[in-house]
Amino acid sequence: QVQLEESGPGLVKPSETLSLTCAVSGYSISDGYYWGWIRQPPGKGLEWIGTIYHGGNTYYNPSLKSRVSISVDTSRNQFSLRLNSVSAADTAFYYCSRIRWNYMDVWGKGTTVTVSS
Amino acid sequence: QSALTQPPSASGSPGQSVTISCTGTSSDVGDYNYVSWYQQHPGKAPKLIIYEVTKRPSGVPDRFSGSKSGNTASLTVSGLQAEDEADYYCCSYAGGNSYVFGTGTKVTVL
Repeated sequence: QVQLEESGPGLVKPSETLSLTCAVSGYSISDGYYWGWIRQPPGKGLEWIGTIYHGGNTYYNPSLKSRVSISVDTSRNQFSLRLNSVSAADTAFYYCSRIRWNYMDVWGKGTTVTVSS
Repeated sequence: QSALTQPPSASGSPGQSVTISCTGTSSDVGDYNYVSWYQQHPGKAPKLIIYEVTKRPSGVPDRFSGSKSGNTASLTVSGLQAEDEADYYCCSYAGGNSYVFGTGTKVTVL
């Protein structure tokens, strides 16, 4: 059974960098599929942040592209999100997900990130 | 990339049906049969309930069905049950390995 678990600081200061990691169990990232990050501001809808293929190709939401970076560590079977120059607008619940060609079939439980000084 | 448009709310009595629309453009919903739907209960992660417009993952009741016409996709929940009360989001592939979600619909079981 595939499971994903997000981890990282719950509080980030404005203008600093948000860093999260998604640990994958029950499936080897090297075996394929895409892996992605989605966020949800409090009381609002879902927003796709970006996707990485196990080989390292990345794809980002145009609205975040200048600030976001996603990387994969196949040796640790995990992938990571970095979002630079954060502001209060980046406060959200962040989810990682397996993307099976064109849909997100497995989700992590999510982690909350608050941007505040 | 603009969010797909969904009605903010929908409701129905137990046993009734409710249909949620998801309107996009010819660059996303209208161009690909890659619309998926997610159910989200309060405080929980989204759960895939429909993929590729009409397909249901194993374990999802056949009360949930999807369709698409032009730039609009729809999710129908038949035989509403109390546990169907949740937020529902559509999502469409938008080309270039990008995705766009809908604005979300809160379904209330009266």
